[in-house]
Amino acid sequence: ETGVTQSPTHLIKTRGQQVTLRCSSQSGHNTVSWYQQALGQGPQFIFQYYREEENGRGNFPPRFSGLQFPNYSSELNVNALELDDSALYLCASSPLAGGVTDTQYFGPGTRLTVL
Amino acid sequence: AQSVTQLGSHVSVSEGALVLLRCNYSSSVPPYLFWYVQYPNQGLQLLLKYTSAATLVKGINGFEAEFKKSETSFHLTKPSAHMSDAAEYFCAVRLIQGAQKLVFGQGTRLTINP
Repeated sequence: ETGVTQSPTHLIKTRGQQVTLRCSSQSGHNTVSWYQQALGQGPQFIFQYYREEENGRGNFPPRFSGLQFPNYSSELNVNALELDDSALYLCASSPLAGGVTDTQYFGPGTRLTVL
Repeated sequence: AQSVTQLGSHVSVSEGALVLLRCNYSSSVPPYLFWYVQYPNQGLQLLLKYTSAATLVKGINGFEAEFKKSETSFHLTKPSAHMSDAAEYFCAVRLIQGAQKLVFGQGTRLTINP
């Protein structure tokens, strides 16, 4: 069974640029959540996708957007990058059955550095 | 809104000693509770979870946690620390219904002294 994978592992961008991060969910999981983990902090929820629709959003501006594809993989897009966007971005997948989301399983993350 | 407080950003114990990592939560309704571990340069790995069944939950690697509603706590323990337990530990809360997001604490870095 393949776990959650993310790409790229590391990324360096400059202020004002745009970035796309990718996530492949674990086999059998149809829900993907994205989290931002700043250095020395706990992860913060960005948003969640279920069946290609946004299914909840945290306190992040609209320049953070996402997509989920029919195969349940997902993308996180960030426009107009700011220095504070430097963080580890974590993707988590979970099964959704009967309206109750089960445990979220995390990928290794993408380390984004904004200069 | 739910929140999590982890008491102690850094805990240091000797190898073989008891590990106790503290977590208190705030939630207006009964929550689900989780402990995750993060090793350097890695993602989060689930240690254990409480989902309103038994209040004493056993997890991987010898860890366990007890849900105490009266104290709004979900402390993580391990009887005997191993060097391999050195990592960052995060407590998280999620509502049973509504928004399907995890709310994490700030984390506790566990150091094991030989």
